[in-house]
Amino acid sequence: SYELTQPLSVSVALGQTARITCGGNNIGSKNVHWYQQKPGQAPVLVIYRDSNRPSGIPERFSGSNSGNTATLTISRAQAGDEADYYCQVWDSSMVFGGGTKLTVL
Amino acid sequence: QVQLVQSGAEVKKPGASVKVSCKASGYTFTSYDINWVRQATGQGLEWMGWMNPNSGNTGYAQKFQGRVTMTRNTSISTAYMELSSLRSEDTAVYYCARAPRIVVVATWFDPWGQGTLVTVSS
Repeated sequence: SYELTQPLSVSVALGQTARITCGGNNIGSKNVHWYQQKPGQAPVLVIYRDSNRPSGIPERFSGSNSGNTATLTISRAQAGDEADYYCQVWDSSMVFGGGTKLTVL
Repeated sequence: QVQLVQSGAEVKKPGASVKVSCKASGYTFTSYDINWVRQATGQGLEWMGWMNPNSGNTGYAQKFQGRVTMTRNTSISTAYMELSSLRSEDTAVYYCARAPRIVVVATWFDPWGQGTLVTVSS
C-alpha cells in the first residue's frame, strides 16, 4: 500500500517561513491535499490539488509538488498557525500522511 | 454556509454496532459525495469510505469491508455510517466530510463535520 511520510514535528520562529514535507513514491504525479487540525477541532482544508487555496485561507499558505516530495509552505508564521498538518492523496484508496505538529516559537 | 452536523457521542459495548449521522445544509446534498474518516485519540486520520448520496453507490476501505455500511436519506439531507462488531480499537472520533464529485484521484474533503466520539468499552 502507498505510504506518505511526514516529519513528526516542525518548529518555526514567529514571522518566519515554515515548510512541511510529505514524501511518497512519485508523489509528483498525484494530486496532494493538505489539512490543518487544531486541538479538539475537525480538520480544515488549506490546500487542494497541490497548490490551490480554498476561499478563506490566507495567501500565506502555499503548496508545491514534484518528484517524491510535496511541500506545504506557511509564510510569516503566526501563533494561530500552530496545529497538526496532514497531507492526503489517492492511491487505490485515500491515504493520509501521519501528520506534522507545527510549533511557532 | 455549507455545514455538516453530526450526531452526538456514543458509548457501545464490544460486539455492538453504532450508527453515526451527518446532516448536510447549505448545498445540494446529492451533488457531492460524503466520505467518512476516523481518528483515534492522539493518532492520525484514517479513511473509511465514501458514498454518492445521489445513487447510493459506496466504496469502502479494505480494512472496513464487511463491517461498515454507508447509507443516506435524501429527504432530510443526511448521511449515515454504521460500523458493526465493534472492538476497543474502534474507539475514535468519526468525521464525515464532503467531497466534490470529480475523478477520485483528485478529490479532497471540504468541509468536515464536527466529529462524533465513539467509545467502545465493556
